Amino acid sequence: QVQLQQSGAELAKPGSSVKISCKASGYTFTSYYISWIKQTTGQGLEYIGYINTGSGGTNYNEKFKGKATLTVDKSSSTAFMQLSSLTPDDSAVYYCARGAATPLYWGQGVMVTVSS
Amino acid sequence: DIQMTQSPSLLSASVGDRVTLNCKASQNINKNLNWYQQKLGEAPKLLIYYTNNLQTGIPSRFSGSGSGTDYTLTISSLQPEDVATYYCYQYNSGYTFGAGTKLELK
Repeated sequence: QVQLQQSGAELAKPGSSVKISCKASGYTFTSYYISWIKQTTGQGLEYIGYINTGSGGTNYNEKFKGKATLTVDKSSSTAFMQLSSLTPDDSAVYYCARGAATPLYWGQGVMVTVSS
Repeated sequence: DIQMTQSPSLLSASVGDRVTLNCKASQNINKNLNWYQQKLGEAPKLLIYYTNNLQTGIPSRFSGSGSGTDYTLTISSLQPEDVATYYCYQYNSGYTFGAGTKLELK
């Protein structure tokens, strides 16, 4: 069965970076894009961007350009998102999901907390 | 950027009620709209894709409709397990979620 297994919760200091992972299984990894979505209590769900897992090409929501960097490791069927120059506003749950137009399968989410 | 406005933000209804949730886009999205259900502590779950197509395994009491800028998710007979927050999502131009409608039991 299709699964997206995300890495564990992160506690980071302001100004630092974190890199979270999303390991796919149960399907051909390079056949589907991976999307990343941010969820906060105040802002709801925000689409960050997607990565073409075959070519490595990316598409970012304007708001997250410079904040998020999406990469993939095809050899391990894993997608990554690095968040840089962290501020408290980056504290959220981050999901990966398979697909862009119609994300069907989602990871369990990673809570990122930014605090000094 | 396309903005998605959901109404109401909070809806209280009784078991068995017919429930209608609304989603309005800031411009024509050509039916490129999905509906997601999110229960507390879980990831969003796809209910409806391309306006009115029921995702496999989703109960038939859920249905979607709409065109242009106005879209609707209907639950024909509310069940206790339907308590959740519902999000619309457009993928016609970029990708945008609505702010959600929280559905609770009266």
